[in-house]
Amino acid sequence: EAGVVQSPRYKIIEKKQPVAFWCNPISGHNTLYWYLQNLGQGPELLIRYENEEAVDDSQLPKDRFSAERLKGVDSTLKIQPAELGDSAVYLCASSPTRQSPQYFGPGTRLTVL
Amino acid sequence: AQSVTQLDSQVPVFEEAPVELRCNYSSSVSVYLFWYVQYPNQGLQLLLKYLSGSTLVKGINGFEAEFNKSQTSFHLRKPSVHISDTAEYFCAVIQWGTSYGKLTFGQGTILTVHP
Repeated sequence: EAGVVQSPRYKIIEKKQPVAFWCNPISGHNTLYWYLQNLGQGPELLIRYENEEAVDDSQLPKDRFSAERLKGVDSTLKIQPAELGDSAVYLCASSPTRQSPQYFGPGTRLTVL
Repeated sequence: AQSVTQLDSQVPVFEEAPVELRCNYSSSVSVYLFWYVQYPNQGLQLLLKYLSGSTLVKGINGFEAEFNKSQTSFHLRKPSVHISDTAEYFCAVIQWGTSYGKLTFGQGTILTVHP
């Protein structure tokens, strides 16, 4: 069974530029999560989807971050414009239901110069 | 709100020695508990989980953890470590009820196994 797929794995951009991350969850997993992991810290939830509905986006900085999950499968997380402090690893995870264990992708390491 | 405290930020140990990584949580309701491992430049891999039933849970790679409700702890143990166990380990909780789906992580413990 294929795991959670994320791309790109690494991204370097100048500040104020836009950037997008893509995630393909495990087949059949209805719940999808985006996490932010700063260096030396545990991941923090940004947004959670149940199918195509964002059911918890309270931690998403909506002035510059946006996300979508069209058709309840793949998801895209966007930052526009990026700031220096956005440099981090962005992790995508999925689970069959919200009560189930979550399975993580390899992450996208973003560096903002 | 729930919180997770990993009591050691770094644990050095020699190969074939036993190891314990400590985790305490705080929650006003029942929780599910997890340990994840993260190797350099990789995502998080689920080591083991406690959902219900026996308080001693076994996971992959020879790791086990014991849920202690009275002490609100979920310590991770391995009787004999290998060089390949060198990684960062995260304890995490999901609170029952409306917070279902929201994993709260500890700060992580870096395990370094020396030859």
